[in-house]
Amino acid sequence: RKEVEQDPGPFNVPEGATVAFNCTYSNSASQSFFWYRQDCRKEPKLLMSVYSSGNEDGRFTAQLNRASQYISLLIRDSKLSDSATYLCAVANTGGFKTIFGAGTRLFVKA
Amino acid sequence: SQTIHQWPATLVQPVGSPLSLECTVEGTSNPNLYWYRQAAGRGLQLLFYSVGIGQISSEVPQNLSASRPQDRQFILSSKKLLLSDSGFYLCAWSVKGQGEAEAFFGQGTRLTVV
Repeated sequence: RKEVEQDPGPFNVPEGATVAFNCTYSNSASQSFFWYRQDCRKEPKLLMSVYSSGNEDGRFTAQLNRASQYISLLIRDSKLSDSATYLCAVANTGGFKTIFGAGTRLFVKA
Repeated sequence: SQTIHQWPATLVQPVGSPLSLECTVEGTSNPNLYWYRQAAGRGLQLLFYSVGIGQISSEVPQNLSASRPQDRQFILSSKKLLLSDSGFYLCAWSVKGQGEAEAFFGQGTRLTVV
């Protein structure tokens, strides 16, 4: 079983749609959780950290479910510019050994 | 502010040739350092990570090696490249000892082995 798993997609959604991605992790001792965005042929960039209580940043909401060992990302009111690959990442204490999922591709259409 | 430099940006190398990719971090000390590889259309595969000078942990068996000769320098090497070594190589760093420790990436090296 992979340490971090994501649905590779692609997700094809119209502008204005709400889309959600899930990511599961296998190491119950994991401490830190993140969502990254990666544009084509570019390096990943941090989108947001995921806190135990859940957190929101504008149109983006991230949640953590420790009992079921998954994290989620919700994007509301999708924009064309949201088209990218979204990677979840899981790290143990202190960020040591950060493991990434394979990414979920999102295409937002006009 | 912290910055991470990785070079070269693009590299085309013949099979059997050596490889040396360098990564340096500025503006922080004693970072965790990482080398990842991303094959075309695939996710990030962790190759090596380092928590300090001379301390290297390998995640996957391969013909690559890594070294950390200085606190903020991380080098990825190979003595003889294989076709399967082609990919997008990313260096990253993170801060040690904090609850949140997101990884920050260099711009990557796109390696094509021919």
